[in-house]
Amino acid sequence: KAGVTQTPRYLIKTRGQQVTLSCSPISGHRSVSWYQQTPGQGLQFLFEYFSETQRNKGNFPGRFSGRQFSNSRSEMNVSTLELGDSALYLCASSLAWGRRNEKLFFGSGTQLSVL
Amino acid sequence: AQTVTQSQPEMSVQEAETVTLSCTYDTSESDYYLFWYKQPPSRQMILVIRQEAYKQQNATENRFSVNFQKAAKSFSLKISDSQLGDAAMYFCAYRTADTGTASKLTFGTGTRLQVTL
Repeated sequence: KAGVTQTPRYLIKTRGQQVTLSCSPISGHRSVSWYQQTPGQGLQFLFEYFSETQRNKGNFPGRFSGRQFSNSRSEMNVSTLELGDSALYLCASSLAWGRRNEKLFFGSGTQLSVL
Repeated sequence: AQTVTQSQPEMSVQEAETVTLSCTYDTSESDYYLFWYKQPPSRQMILVIRQEAYKQQNATENRFSVNFQKAAKSFSLKISDSQLGDAAMYFCAYRTADTGTASKLTFGTGTRLQVTL
């Protein structure tokens, strides 16, 4: 079974641009969550989607948004990019949402560089 | 809010030896999960071991085991018979047992483990 797939692996953008990252969960998984990893702030939770609805949101500005499609694939969007948005963006999937024993499976991330 | 602290930025161990990575956390909750994740150069976060707070018994997965001290809010990872493939960043993580936030992990800052011959 294929793992969590994130595309692209690497991305270079300039300040002010916007970017869209994609995440395909493991087949059969219906919940997708996103994390930002930076050397300074470490790993931080961005948001979580299940059944095309955002279920949880971390403490990030409104420039960060996401969505989930009916096939459970998810995208996250960052508008008006800032230098501080340079990070590894990790996606994780799980079978469902709202279950105590849920296990997360992570992808290899998208490395975003903002110049 | 919960916090997770890893006080060892880097550790080194010789192949076949044993190493222990430390983690402390702060929470007011009594029901939660603790995890150790490994992040190799491929960048993928891989679950190493998981501990449920209400279980007294320490979790074990092959060469990996934990020492969970709930009262002390301590959760250390012991790697036995270290192998070259164990070299990676190791992250300690916390998650409440609240089913509405099951995917929201709080991570520590990580410990880089180097394995030498």
